[in-house]
Amino acid sequence: AQSVTQLGSHVSVSEGALVLLRCNYSSSVPPYLFWYVQYPNQGLQLLLKYTSAATLVKGINGFEAEFKKSETSFHLTKPSAHMSDAAEYFCAVSDPWGSNYKLTFGKGTLLTVNP
Amino acid sequence: GAVVSQHPSRVICKSGTSVKIECRSLDFQATTMFWYRQFPKQSLMLMATSNEGSKATYEQGVEKDKFLINHASLTLSTLTVTSAHPEDSSFYICSARLGGAKTTSTDTQYFGPGTRLTVL
Repeated sequence: AQSVTQLGSHVSVSEGALVLLRCNYSSSVPPYLFWYVQYPNQGLQLLLKYTSAATLVKGINGFEAEFKKSETSFHLTKPSAHMSDAAEYFCAVSDPWGSNYKLTFGKGTLLTVNP
Repeated sequence: GAVVSQHPSRVICKSGTSVKIECRSLDFQATTMFWYRQFPKQSLMLMATSNEGSKATYEQGVEKDKFLINHASLTLSTLTVTSAHPEDSSFYICSARLGGAKTTSTDTQYFGPGTRLTVL
């Protein structure tokens, strides 16, 4: 079974500050990991994904995440927050060796950006 | 590329009626689509996995007779909420899997914009 824990249901930063959203996973096999962003009343947009290639993954909108096997983590970062980054962020894990292609989501982290 | 649409975006219906929601992959073929439900300020809850040409696989606790899923083609899956009640009011989101028969590094779920269902 796989699971995802997102530490902090709400993160607040100032515009221009570093964004750090935490994600830890549990998986019995090397996982695929994803970060999605959701703006109010919209679906999810893929930010980036890790699929066992480079451990540092760069995504859209200046976000990146680093896969750390020893820490079972996949934290999302952005050097400088922008007002438009305010949204809900979901970390997700899938089993690349399974046959059901399911994603298991964390509970989400709401990011607010203060002017 | 990899665009998924949902229709309608918002629907209000009376209790007891049925509502159909469509999910389409616009620029790719999806043998597998997923239906999620999201309550306010909560994460996505997987309801079922929809496979083209076969019966959907429902998650534990999801009533298959209430939430009918049809995946008639490689670009269309529909979710019908039958005899809807106020407790079925929610945000329903579909996703379509872009990938081959075996999971590869390109395997990614792309999400639709969601459908807000309100049952009066």
